[in-house]
Amino acid sequence: KQEVTQIPAALSVPEGENLVLNCSFTDSAIYNLQWFRQDPGKGLTSLLLIQSSQREQTSGRLNASLDKSSGRSTLYIAASQPGDSATYLCAVVPGGYQKVTFGTGTKLQVIP
Amino acid sequence: EADIYQTPRYLVIGTGKKITLECSQTMGHDKMYWYQQDPGMELHLIHYSYGVNSTEKGDLSSESTVSRIRTEHFPLTLESARPSHTSQYLCASSEAGGQEGYNEQFFGPGTRLTVL
Repeated sequence: KQEVTQIPAALSVPEGENLVLNCSFTDSAIYNLQWFRQDPGKGLTSLLLIQSSQREQTSGRLNASLDKSSGRSTLYIAASQPGDSATYLCAVVPGGYQKVTFGTGTKLQVIP
Repeated sequence: EADIYQTPRYLVIGTGKKITLECSQTMGHDKMYWYQQDPGMELHLIHYSYGVNSTEKGDLSSESTVSRIRTEHFPLTLESARPSHTSQYLCASSEAGGQEGYNEQFFGPGTRLTVL
């Protein structure tokens, strides 16, 4: 059974700092990996989708990388802002039309 | 911007009541999903659908049921609510096809259910 772990569970940083969020998964036979953002009491907003043939994706100040062999993905946030405060979730997509497994998330607080 | 809607956003209800959580999307997506999320915990898939008249159970056993009579509509029903059903319920949709059957999922805002 695929297990997805996100460490740390919570992170507090001053505004302007660059930071890295980690996502680890136990079964490296995945196809895609998607990063989401969740604001308190709300649904998930898709940030980046890394597909099988890719090793990283970039959108604005966000960069996500995927290393299947080591079972890891990282989400890099550059020049963090208070508006980045949210919970960040990674979701692992196995091949073969199987269902997605979500991590428990990293709760990020960016202090002005 | 994703156009997927859930109503109600918040619901407080007594034990034994029948409730239906609504989910609608205007993107014409074939696939739709229901997830359950407890505070600070991961999302668990409870139901999904590949299209009209298709419904499947997810990984987490749930006493809820779903229906998919129209492409845009995927309601979830609890026949008799219990305190153990207290949770946040998130609806999502995605296009069909894609590599290995996966396309980017778009989420609604969620329904926070409290059963007293």
